[in-house]
Amino acid sequence: SQTIHQWPATLVQPVGSPLSLECTVEGTSNPNLYWYRQAAGRGLQLLFYSVGIGQISSEVPQNLSASRPQDRQFILSSKKLLLSDSGFYLCAWSIQAPSTDTQYFGPGTRLTVL
Amino acid sequence: KQEVTQIPAALSVPEGENLVLNCSFTDSAIYNLQWFRQDPGKGLTSLLLIQSSQREQTSGRLNASLDKSSGRSTLYIAASQPGDSATYLCAVSNDYKLSFGAGTTVTVRA
Repeated sequence: SQTIHQWPATLVQPVGSPLSLECTVEGTSNPNLYWYRQAAGRGLQLLFYSVGIGQISSEVPQNLSASRPQDRQFILSSKKLLLSDSGFYLCAWSIQAPSTDTQYFGPGTRLTVL
Repeated sequence: KQEVTQIPAALSVPEGENLVLNCSFTDSAIYNLQWFRQDPGKGLTSLLLIQSSQREQTSGRLNASLDKSSGRSTLYIAASQPGDSATYLCAVSNDYKLSFGAGTTVTVRA
C-alpha cells in the first residue's frame, strides 16, 4: 500500500531563517506531487505541484521554492522566512491528474515563524 | 478563478441527528468534486469523490450529491456520532488543481 511521510511534524523558526520541509511517498511510482499551505480558518492553498523529477510548477509567487530531486521526494524550501509563512503545510500525491483521481495527503508540518 | 464556499462554517448537533453540509462553487466547468475530512492538527482523508458526470456518491452513512449546473454539492451524514466530529472540506477539480473551501467544523455532542 502507498504511504506518504512528512517531516518535521512541527517547526518553530525565527524570521529570516532558512526552511526545508521534506515529503516522501512509498509504494507508487511517478506520482504527481503537491505542496499546500493551510492558514488558520482558511482553505488549502496550492503552492507547487510536480508531474516528474525536476518539473515544478508554482502557483503563488512568494519566497518559497520547491524541488523534486527524486521520483518520490518533494522538498519545500525558503532562504529567508517571513512571519506570513506560518501555517500548516501539507504534501499530497495522486496517481493521475486530479481530473480523474483523488489526492492523498500526508500528516502535515506545523510551521510557526516568530 | 474558482471560488469555493462552505456554509455553515461551524455546526454543533446532538448525537444521532443527521448532518447536512453545503458547498458551492463559481465555475461549473469541473472534472470532479471531492469531500475530505480533517481532524485537528492532522492531514486530510478523502471521503467521497464525485465525477462531473455523476449526481451522487454513497459510502456507508455518507452521501454526497452534486448539481454541477448550479454549482452546488451537499454532504449528508446520517445518524451522527461523536467520532464524526471534525472539519469537512469540499474541493473541486479544474484541470490540474484542486480548489478548496474553508471547511465546516462539526461537533457532535454525546
